[in-house]
Amino acid sequence: GESVGLHLPTLSVQEGDNSIINCAYSNSASDYFIWYKQESGKGPQFIIDIRSNMDKRQGQRVTVLLNKTVKHLSLQIAATQPGDSAVYFCADLNQAGTALIFGKGTTLSVSS
Amino acid sequence: DTEVTQTPKHLVMGMTNKKSLKCEQHMGHRAMYWYKQKAKKPPELMFVYSYEKLSINESVPSRFSPECPNSSLLNLHLHALQPEDSALYLCASSQTQGGGYNSPLHFGNGTRLTVT
Repeated sequence: GESVGLHLPTLSVQEGDNSIINCAYSNSASDYFIWYKQESGKGPQFIIDIRSNMDKRQGQRVTVLLNKTVKHLSLQIAATQPGDSAVYFCADLNQAGTALIFGKGTTLSVSS
Repeated sequence: DTEVTQTPKHLVMGMTNKKSLKCEQHMGHRAMYWYKQKAKKPPELMFVYSYEKLSINESVPSRFSPECPNSSLLNLHLHALQPEDSALYLCASSQTQGGGYNSPLHFGNGTRLTVT
């Protein structure tokens, strides 16, 4: 079964707001996590990844936070734009470290 | 544009047809994957090839038959499918199996398959 999942299926924000998308994982041995964005009609697109020896990693307008104590992962998007509207998936490696397993996904809707 | 190219974009087939999905990447990646995605669900792993050898088969029915002719190409042969097999089929590649930090999986835009 999957080892990652997301708290909320949908999130609606106003343009310019900051968005926070959450993910809980159950496998305490997971050592690599990744966020993907999937727009309608397209394949998943890599956003940012993080290793378990890190608490935080920043990209362009995105930050991923990892709290290993409570097995929680979050993706923060600063100054959310309409183009950020998509489904966001967190994922981690399977037990053998040989394949990526996806969580359930959160649909982010950004209104102008 | 994605660096993983999948053809066709859309496919409609009957339950007695035989068809193939194709995937191509020129990033020099040595691992390639097939995922299946139903509407409003996450991608589910089907097969993994590493260095052109089948590494993982997630108990996929034999009506789906993968093939990796070379390191750049991945095919999925379809035969006697059922309507419940209708889905988006995604191909992905990575430098090494499983991907990893700073070496993530790259996905194509998928083939939308409808089985009638």
